[in-house]
Amino acid sequence: SQQGEEDPQALSIQEGENATMNCSYKTSINNLQWYRQNSGRGLVHLILIRSNEREKHSGRLRVTLDTSKKSSSLLITASRAADTASYFCATDATAGGTSYGKLTFGQGTILTVHP
Amino acid sequence: NAGVTQTPKFQVLKTGQSMTLQCAQDMNHEYMSWYRQDPGMGLRLIHYSVGAGITDQGEVPNGYNVSRSTTEDFPLRLLSAAPSQTSVYFCASSSRTGTGRGNSPLHFGNGTRLTVT
Repeated sequence: SQQGEEDPQALSIQEGENATMNCSYKTSINNLQWYRQNSGRGLVHLILIRSNEREKHSGRLRVTLDTSKKSSSLLITASRAADTASYFCATDATAGGTSYGKLTFGQGTILTVHP
Repeated sequence: NAGVTQTPKFQVLKTGQSMTLQCAQDMNHEYMSWYRQDPGMGLRLIHYSVGAGITDQGEVPNGYNVSRSTTEDFPLRLLSAAPSQTSVYFCASSSRTGTGRGNSPLHFGNGTRLTVT
């Protein structure tokens, strides 16, 4: 079953613009993570936000988490053509708070940044 | 560090054939897992392992078998391939450090693209 649903499914912007992707989930979580996937490659971890955190930054990335709405957003500022990729949210909802590396992924957002 | 290494990169099977997808990690991670990625469905967990000798089922385990005899290796076996198993398979590992209210991120291999005809 899909825990996360991402919106939009595809996003096309110009270089220098900001890109915002949203993720909604269904159950209580321990943390939420964002991953990036370049075409034909494996996923690469971008950022992790714990359930007791509301906002986190890493370079040009800003992630917010609203547990009351069961939603998260990923903002990429001043986007570059190299940011073109698929972006996935993933939730850790393991009972008891102990993680075994089991994540539930959303369907992803395809981001295209035009030079 | 090579990270997570998956072989082969591509594979074509006929229905009913069996094969093993290999996965190895050199980061001494306790946790390893297998996911499959299908268009429009994100990644779904097939099996996972919390340490050598310990495995458990994920969301879509049917038709797959795993074992973990060492910390480094976590092979995935397709017992009798079916067209529905056409997919891209990803192996991932993560460290036990940070369990509790936070966990450490997954490290992924580059995937095996499997086609079953």
